[in-house]
Parts: sequence; structure tokens; C-alpha cells
Amino acid sequence: GENVEQHPSTLSVQEGDSAVIKCTYSDSASNYFPWYKQELGKRPQLIIDIRSNVGEKKDQRIAVTLNKTAKHFSLHITETQPEDSAVYFCAATPTGNQFYFGTGTSLTVIP
Amino acid sequence: DAGVTQSPTHLIKTRGQQVTLRCSPKSGHDTVSWYQQALGQGPQFIFQYYEEEERQRGNFPDRFSGHQFPNYSSELNVNALLLGDSALYLCASSLELRVGSTDTQYFGPGTRLTVL
Repeated sequence: GENVEQHPSTLSVQEGDSAVIKCTYSDSASNYFPWYKQELGKRPQLIIDIRSNVGEKKDQRIAVTLNKTAKHFSLHITETQPEDSAVYFCAATPTGNQFYFGTGTSLTVIP
Repeated sequence: DAGVTQSPTHLIKTRGQQVTLRCSPKSGHDTVSWYQQALGQGPQFIFQYYEEEERQRGNFPDRFSGHQFPNYSSELNVNALLLGDSALYLCASSLELRVGSTDTQYFGPGTRLTVL
């Protein structure tokens, strides 16, 4: 099955700086890559997603890039704010049914 | 527009007992997936239900079973509970698009299961 690896596991940045989280996947058939943000005790919330026919997608301060050849995709958060502090999960799916999640990145934005 | 709901929010059971967790999908969604999230880990896929049938299953034993009702709501049943079953159980709903097309999965708040 698919294997998703996520790095780093923890990330601390100063408020206003950028944060980048990277994920790699193993199954070349994967075609959909969502990113979820999970605050402590809360549900994972979709923040952005990208499909395999697109190389980059941006939504305000958040962007995702996808490199199908290298089988990796990245989340970019610019102008970070304290409320961006949370655990971020990447995921991939080759079937659209079973989503394979990374192990998460705990992001701390220092005011 | 109602989002994904789950009940109960918390549950405490002892080893060997059985538990049933419930999920109501987001309005307009017809597909329900269940995930287990251990502390500090990413969600692990248990199974997915569509048209009242289990469509795909992850690497979980038969002690984990489910059901989907005609109104698209779903139940997750776990028999013979083990200490290692303690986790946050998440339900996610989505809309089945045309074959081969993937839609976003939206998560419920989860049920925190503690097995003593």
C-alpha cells in the first residue's frame, strides 16, 4: 500500500516568518493530496488540497506544491501567525477511498 | 448546513467489552470512512462505507466492523476491546463522484475511547 512520510515532526518559527512542511509518497497512482490542520482536542480540518494534474495551488497565505516525478508535495505557510500553531497532517490517496496520512508536524509560531 | 457529527464524545470501557460509535455525515454526503488516531499519530484508515456496503478496508482485525444505514449514517463496532484500542475514532464523510474521481473527506469531532 501507499506510504506517506512527513518532515519535520516539530517546527518552531517566529511570527511573520514562513513555514514549510514536506511529505513524500510511494505509490505513483496517488492522485489527490489534502492537508489537514488539527488543533489540540479538535477535529482535523482541511486547509488546502491539490490534485495530480496541478503543480501548485495557493489560498491566501497557504500554498501547496506537488512534484509527481519525485513523489513529494509540500505545504508553505507565509506570514505565520500564532493561530497557525497546530499539528498539520498531509495525506495521499491512490483510490479516493483510503487516505494515507503522514505522522504529523507540530508547528509552533512564537509571537 | 450540518457538518459531520459523532456520538458519544467520550467513552470508557474495560477490556473484553464491546463498543458502538455513531456518525452522521455532512448534509449531502453519501460516503463514510472511519479512522483510528492514536495519541501523537496520524489517522489510520479502518474502512469505508458506500451504498450500505463496506467498500474498502484498512489493516484492522475483524473485531472492527461497521454498518451504514439508508440515511447514510454509520456505526463502528469494536468487539473484545484491548488496551491498544484506546484512541480517538474519527469519522469522515465525502460525496461519491464519478468513478475514479476523488472528493474531499470532512472529519467529525471524534469519539475518545479509553479502554481500562
